[in-house]
Amino acid sequence: AQKVTQAQTEISVVEKEDVTLDCVYETRDTTYYLFWYKQPPSGELVFLIRRNSFDEQNEISGRYSWNFQKSTSSFNFTITASQVVDSAVYFCALSEEGGSYIPTFGRGTSLIVHP
Amino acid sequence: EADIYQTPRYLVIGTGKKITLECSQTMGHDKMYWYQQDPGMELHLIHYSYGVNSTEKGDLSSESTVSRIRTEHFPLTLESARPSHTSQYLCASSDHLNSPLHFGNGTRLTVT
Repeated sequence: AQKVTQAQTEISVVEKEDVTLDCVYETRDTTYYLFWYKQPPSGELVFLIRRNSFDEQNEISGRYSWNFQKSTSSFNFTITASQVVDSAVYFCALSEEGGSYIPTFGRGTSLIVHP
Repeated sequence: EADIYQTPRYLVIGTGKKITLECSQTMGHDKMYWYQQDPGMELHLIHYSYGVNSTEKGDLSSESTVSRIRTEHFPLTLESARPSHTSQYLCASSDHLNSPLHFGNGTRLTVT
């Protein structure tokens, strides 16, 4: 079974729209970490954020915000006022104590922002 | 400025050839990983290492081997390439087990 589910394969928006990328995870551990990475067309994955299981505080960084909810096992990512440069594939990942903290990635969501 | 380097960036080879994909990092990270990324985007872990002389297989059996003789170097070898090995190979490193991964630019391999 998928430990990290990104149900949205592809999302297409027009510039300045807000967009939310969903991530649902599955773990039995009490200690785990969640991550978001961005993979632009150039191919290199870039780290965006890490959250540990003991910190449910939401975070905002510029136009990016993350909503971590343990009750629904979700760690969603919202881009406000999207821009063409946001076009990329976004991956959610989980590293858990029971998995020796080896990161498991979701299948990714391709975001296309049209001008 | 990249701190983790993969070469070659692109490679086209014939079936049956032996190839080595290179990965080096200058950050002194103990943990290194190889992922295979298929055209559907999903990343599959194929090998990882916790330090020098430590290597483990991941979830995906890719008929490849790795070595970790030096901290900074983690090459991946395919003894006999097949068309099914056509994919993108991503190398990554981290300093601690729960730290974010630093990725290289990847090697896009095509086996004809």
